[in-house]
Amino acid sequence: AQTVTQSQPEMSVQEAETVTLSCTYDTSESDYYLFWYKQPPSRQMILVIRQEAYKQQNATENRFSVNFQKAAKSFSLKISDSQLGDAAMYFCAYRGPQGGSEKLVFGKGTKLTVNP
Amino acid sequence: SAVISQKPSRDICQRGTSLTIQCQVDSQVTMMFWYRQQPGQSLTLIATANQGSEATYESGFVIDKFPISRPNLTFSTLTVSNMSPEDSSIYLCSVALAEQFFGPGTRLTVL
Repeated sequence: AQTVTQSQPEMSVQEAETVTLSCTYDTSESDYYLFWYKQPPSRQMILVIRQEAYKQQNATENRFSVNFQKAAKSFSLKISDSQLGDAAMYFCAYRGPQGGSEKLVFGKGTKLTVNP
Repeated sequence: SAVISQKPSRDICQRGTSLTIQCQVDSQVTMMFWYRQQPGQSLTLIATANQGSEATYESGFVIDKFPISRPNLTFSTLTVSNMSPEDSSIYLCSVALAEQFFGPGTRLTVL
């Protein structure tokens, strides 16, 4: 079974600085999808960024980028120029290949604090 | 994208009672998912609901405890039956399009 591991229960960063959240996963599939979700205190799950395993290029969305290392099964999230609104729980998630189960497997999450 | 609403947004229930949570999507979708998020924890999939067929439950979750209905392509319900304090959680529905979108969640407290 696929597993997702986030080894950092909590992280903090100064406003305007950069922070990296770690995620590793285990799968025997060669084709899959990885996601980072943000959950602020409102509890709404918000998709931050998505990576297809077949793409070598790392995904980027404005201040958010990933470092996808397929061989190492690593998928870290970098937040640049951190803002107070970035404070939230961040969950790394795995989804299997297209045409299979669409369910997501989540890591335990990392609580990010942004200090002014 | 998809806009998902859930009712109720929160509820406080007595032990032994049941609560039905509704999930409405603004577009037709094949798969809908129900997740549980226990306090301070991550999300765990309860079941996958496809229209016109029985829901598929994950290990540790059973139909008698969490019956699900999926009457059409835009709507689903999850019932939490015979509740105990251990059922206190946030329950989220989700749909899979190009990516998964989540509803705002239902915060359930069982006394």
